[in-house]
Amino acid sequence: QKEVEQDPGPLSVPEGAIVSLNCTYSNSAFQYFMWYRQYSRKGPELLMYTYSSGNKEDGRFTAQVDKSSKYISLFIRDSQPSDSATYLCAMRSGGSYIPTFGRGTSLIVHP
Amino acid sequence: GAVVSQHPSWVICKSGTSVKIECRSLDFQATTMFWYRQFPKQSLMLMATSNEGSKATYEQGVEKDKFLINHASLTLSTLTVTSAHPEDSSFYICSALADSNQPQHFGDGTRLSIL
Repeated sequence: QKEVEQDPGPLSVPEGAIVSLNCTYSNSAFQYFMWYRQYSRKGPELLMYTYSSGNKEDGRFTAQVDKSSKYISLFIRDSQPSDSATYLCAMRSGGSYIPTFGRGTSLIVHP
Repeated sequence: GAVVSQHPSWVICKSGTSVKIECRSLDFQATTMFWYRQFPKQSLMLMATSNEGSKATYEQGVEKDKFLINHASLTLSTLTVTSAHPEDSSFYICSALADSNQPQHFGDGTRLSIL
């Protein structure tokens, strides 16, 4: 079992839909959780950074962490074609600055 | 804030040449920088971690004599692919970390094509 599991997709949704992206993990020591967006032939761009459990909202993006279930989510409201990209989850423990990445989910938002 | 610049963005060169890639943190001092390699439709593969002024720590299976890393200052790290061959063709991405409580910020990557 991989430490971080993420469905590669692709996930195809119509413009305006609410998108839910998820990762599960097995290491209970993970405390810091990140979501990155990566466009084709570009480096990953940090979207959300959260510590421990709970919700964090930033514009159309909401990150949720459920440490009891070892499950994190990223919600995108009012999705736009410009949101089409690969979304990578990443997480690390407090004792390490090297995160473990999921393999990424490819999202396609069609007009 | 937290801008990381990587240069060049794309390089094509002949087999046997060496290629240097630069990674700079533009608006913060990076205590640690990382170098990743990414294959098409795959996640990031960590190659090495470097701290300013000290030798890089390479991941298992990464040849340190092949991929030379220099972290000369708190804002600059370089990766040199020595005697590059077609199998070294890939997308190389750097990232930088200000401190252990912050997330990594990535450069835009370098597409390396060896003919």
